[in-house]
Parts: sequence; C-alpha cells; structure tokens
Amino acid sequence: QVQLVQSGAEVKKPGASVKVSCKVSGKSLTVLAIHWVRQAPGKGPDWVGGLDPDDGETLYAQKFQGRVTLTADTATGTAHMELTRLRSEDSGVYYCATDIGGLGAGATSLGFESWGQGTLVTVSS
Amino acid sequence: QSVLTQPPSASGTPGQRITISCSGSISNIGSNYVYWYRQLPGTAPKLLIYMNTQRPSGVPDRFSGSKSGTSASLAISGLRSDDEADYYCSVRDDSLSSNFLFGGGTKVTVL
Repeated sequence: QVQLVQSGAEVKKPGASVKVSCKVSGKSLTVLAIHWVRQAPGKGPDWVGGLDPDDGETLYAQKFQGRVTLTADTATGTAHMELTRLRSEDSGVYYCATDIGGLGAGATSLGFESWGQGTLVTVSS
Repeated sequence: QSVLTQPPSASGTPGQRITISCSGSISNIGSNYVYWYRQLPGTAPKLLIYMNTQRPSGVPDRFSGSKSGTSASLAISGLRSDDEADYYCSVRDDSLSSNFLFGGGTKVTVL
C-alpha cells in the first residue's frame, strides 16, 4: 500500500517561494508518476503538474508554467514541488498524488490513487 | 469557470440511485479517459472510477461510470448517508498539452 506524507503548513509573503515535500513509501518512485493538485478554499481541485521520477519527464499546467518546478529524489523516495513568485491566489491546500499509469501525452493514466494529507500554503502580506 | 461542467448539486433518499453528469468537449472527454473522485470535507480526494468505467480495488460496485461522446456520468446506486460528499470528474485535454482538468464538482446530499 502506497503512503504519502507531506511537509507541514507554510506561511509566505507575496513574491516569495515555497517548497513542499512528499515522502512516498510502499512503492518505488521509479514505478510511479507523482502529481500535484491545489485546492483553494471552497473550490475544486486544480491540477498543478506531474513528474515521472524514472526519466525526469515533467508536465506542467499552463497556468503554473514558469513558476512551478517538480523534482524527485528516488533514493529517498521524496518528491518536491516548488512554486515561485507567490501571490494571494496561490493560497490553498496542495496535495501530492501517485499514478501507476503513464505521464506523457498519449500515456494512459490509471488515476490518482494514493494521496498525501495535504499541505496548507497561506500567502499573505 | 471549469472547462468540464458538472451540476453543482444532486440529492436523493437512502437506497435511491442518482447520477452525476460531466460535460466537456471533443478535446477532453471526447478523446480521453474520464476519472471520478469523491472528497469528504477536510480530506484528500479519493479515486472512485478510472478509465471511464473501472473501479479501483475496494470501491464498491454501487459506483459505476460511463461515457458517451463528450459527456460522462457517475452513477451511485443504493445511496447511503455516508455518500454525502463532493464528487469531481477529471480528464486530460489534448488542446491543453495533455493537462489534467477537474470539473467544478457536484455536492451530493442524502435527504
């Protein structure tokens, strides 16, 4: 059974950066795709991007392109999401999730089956 | 406003069958698999249906998914009080570099 444990809540000022980590256990990162999803208060999920730790391929949502970087350390089983130039609209809960399907265009996702507990990021001056 | 359109709410009585629709376009639902998630307040979403109709291990057969053209549906039969949650459809979109999209969500209430 795959388990994901995320880092703790963060409070940041506008313009700053935040880096959230996601420790995966129960399966090697090399056989999973890692996705990040943001959920603003009272809103639905918003896909941020995905990473295939095996080959480093990344896919970013257009609205976050240029501000988000996804990385993973397969040795420690930890994935990271860094979001820069934060603004108030970036406040929300950030989740990591795993997919045993493929990531790239044309690949077949098998859905985001395992999720982390979420990390609350608050952007406020 | 989401590219995927879901009704904001749905309701039913215990034991009843309800369906939740998800409407998209040729570049998303019309070309790719649909996924469904359930989310209880304060918790992470949970995968209910993948690849249009498949249930992950542990998801009861009360939940079923279907797709036709540019629309998809999630059916919940034998409605229970603990089915009260928010339900989201999700799909990749070929016109958005295969980005994943989520619908706006449907709040299910058990009367």
